[in-house]
Amino acid sequence: GQQLNQSPQSMFIQEGEDVSMNCTSSSIFNTWLWYKQDPGEGPVLLIALYKAGELTSNGRLTAQFGITRKDSFLNISASIPSDVGIYFCAGLSGGYQKVTFGIGTKLQVIP
Amino acid sequence: DTAVSQTPKYLVTQMGNDKSIKCEQNLGHDTMYWYKQDSKKFLKIMFSYNNKELIINETVPNRFSPKSPDKAHLNLHINSLELGDSAVYFCATSNGGRFYNEQFFGPGTRLTVL
Repeated sequence: GQQLNQSPQSMFIQEGEDVSMNCTSSSIFNTWLWYKQDPGEGPVLLIALYKAGELTSNGRLTAQFGITRKDSFLNISASIPSDVGIYFCAGLSGGYQKVTFGIGTKLQVIP
Repeated sequence: DTAVSQTPKYLVTQMGNDKSIKCEQNLGHDTMYWYKQDSKKFLKIMFSYNNKELIINETVPNRFSPKSPDKAHLNLHINSLELGDSAVYFCATSNGGRFYNEQFFGPGTRLTVL
């Protein structure tokens, strides 16, 4: 099956720093998604990307759909303590919304 | 009102037992899913139902059987539970059929098999 490589798997940063994480795939996706999961909760969609090259922002978050359609990155600017959580990339291909998730990036923010 | 709810939140049971997890949504969405998240936080889709019809069935042991009595409910029944079934199970919903729309996840059910 399709696999997504997400990196880094974990990171510790100081409050106020910018963060970058990315996902790569061996196959093409039609849609890239970024989710955040807080402890004890289900994932919540942050950004959805639908076109190769698309750059989309949501507040302090910016994500891009790679030109090759095999990668995507997520940047968080000026991190704050509530950014703590696990960030998942996910790719969608084919029909009926079958989503393949990356292994997640665990983000810790040091106040 | 919770958009996607799951019961129970926690489930501890012995190997070999049969158990069910229930999911209900009040969003009026036409597609519902079950995901499994293992101890390493890896999320994997198990099943998807669109308008009560099974459309995604990943390589899941047939001990797992989803049941959708109506569009607002997708329950997961697990027979002969095994240690490896211990995980967090998430229900999710979306709208729109073939084209991607945001999936709303429930809070999860943590299943522990002893």
